[in-house]
Amino acid sequence: DAGVTQSPTHLIKTRGQQVTLRCSPKSGHDTVSWYQQALGQGPQFIFQYYEEEERQRGNFPDRFSGHQFPNYSSELNVNALLLGDSALYLCASSQRGMGSQYFGPGTRLTVT
Amino acid sequence: QKEVEQDPGPLSVPEGAIVSLNCTYSNSAFQYFMWYRQYSRKGPELLMYTYSSGNKEDGRFTAQVDKSSKYISLFIRDSQPSDSATYLCAMSEGGSQGNLIFGKGTKLSVKP
Repeated sequence: DAGVTQSPTHLIKTRGQQVTLRCSPKSGHDTVSWYQQALGQGPQFIFQYYEEEERQRGNFPDRFSGHQFPNYSSELNVNALLLGDSALYLCASSQRGMGSQYFGPGTRLTVT
Repeated sequence: QKEVEQDPGPLSVPEGAIVSLNCTYSNSAFQYFMWYRQYSRKGPELLMYTYSSGNKEDGRFTAQVDKSSKYISLFIRDSQPSDSATYLCAMSEGGSQGNLIFGKGTKLSVKP
């Protein structure tokens, strides 16, 4: 049983560019959450998707947007990249109303 | 004041020692408390999950929650070099599937 998978593993982008990160949830999970983890910090909640809709959102600007597909996989899009967006982006999946969140290995984004 | 405070360490102990990791929080609405372990360049891995106050034991790990003091702890007995990692506390108001608020993480090193 594959756990949460994320792609790509690493990404280098230039300021002002746009990036798309992808996540496939653990089998049986229908809810996907995205977190940003800066170096030396704990993860910070960006938003959560369930039934293809954004259900909760953390304190992140509109440059951060997402999507969930019918197969429960998800994308995180970041527009107009800033140097401060450099971080490990983590996807976590869960089953609505049950259990806990399981994290993927993350995508390390570097903005130069 | 941050919602969740966690001493970042680093904490270094000899193999076999009992390790105590702690977090304090300010939001009395938190009801769900989790401990995650994160190895370098990996995603967080769920270790323990506790609802409300009390103790929970799983093998060498014991989680304690004291809601009256807004204080949670993780104890690791008979620590092993493989326990060397960053330990993150996380908590939420609305269930373990919701918006998790993380501490900064404590970096633990267990020396053989």
